[in-house]
Amino acid sequence: ETGVTQTPRHLVMGMTNKKSLKCEQHLGHNAMYWYKQSAKKPLELMFVYSLEERVENNSVPSRFSPECPNSSHLFLHLHTLQPEDSALYLCASSRGITNEKLFFGSGTQLSVL
Amino acid sequence: DQQVKQNSPSLSVQEGRISILNCDYTNSMFDYFLWYKKYPAEGPTFLISISSIKDKNEDGRFTVFLNKSAKHLSLHIVPSQPGDSAVYFCAAIVAGGGADGLTFGKGTHLIIQP
Repeated sequence: ETGVTQTPRHLVMGMTNKKSLKCEQHLGHNAMYWYKQSAKKPLELMFVYSLEERVENNSVPSRFSPECPNSSHLFLHLHTLQPEDSALYLCASSRGITNEKLFFGSGTQLSVL
Repeated sequence: DQQVKQNSPSLSVQEGRISILNCDYTNSMFDYFLWYKKYPAEGPTFLISISSIKDKNEDGRFTVFLNKSAKHLSLHIVPSQPGDSAVYFCAAIVAGGGADGLTFGKGTHLIIQP
């Protein structure tokens, strides 16, 4: 496999559920990101990891919890979400934190009921 | 307040003609600009970029123009092909800011009519 792989592609969850989104990159990159894309809004950066250390957290609610166990894997743990959290969640990677060219996964389309 | 604006949510162009997608920005510190292309059910893919030291960058059918004084950039696709139908995102950054500082526009949905 090459590129950035995200699972699952679609997820429906209730507000009391706990679920996790998974991202894996096979590009040898050192930086990984979570973005949120809501309808008719720009891509919003949620979290940035560089060499497995979190370097950016854009005031994201604590019901979203990221985890980066190594430079190839990134998780987003979800709990007690709200319906307004329904969106496309995109994972991305780049060679380094100062490299602007992001490589995106296909995203997880999340619906919170 | 949006720092990167793509004011046309959608654009329809006939196959073979030129497609022009526009992007405006408000932060004069931005000095590197990128265009990403997104197909349905796929993530965005990098298309072309331009540094503020240039006013034009060309890659095959794709050309990006930068007008720093107007804080405006545009993506030209010529000739337009059916496979160009996608959502195009403009992004901007302050050099050295790293990808964590990328600011995206809302995107323009380009539809190429046969």
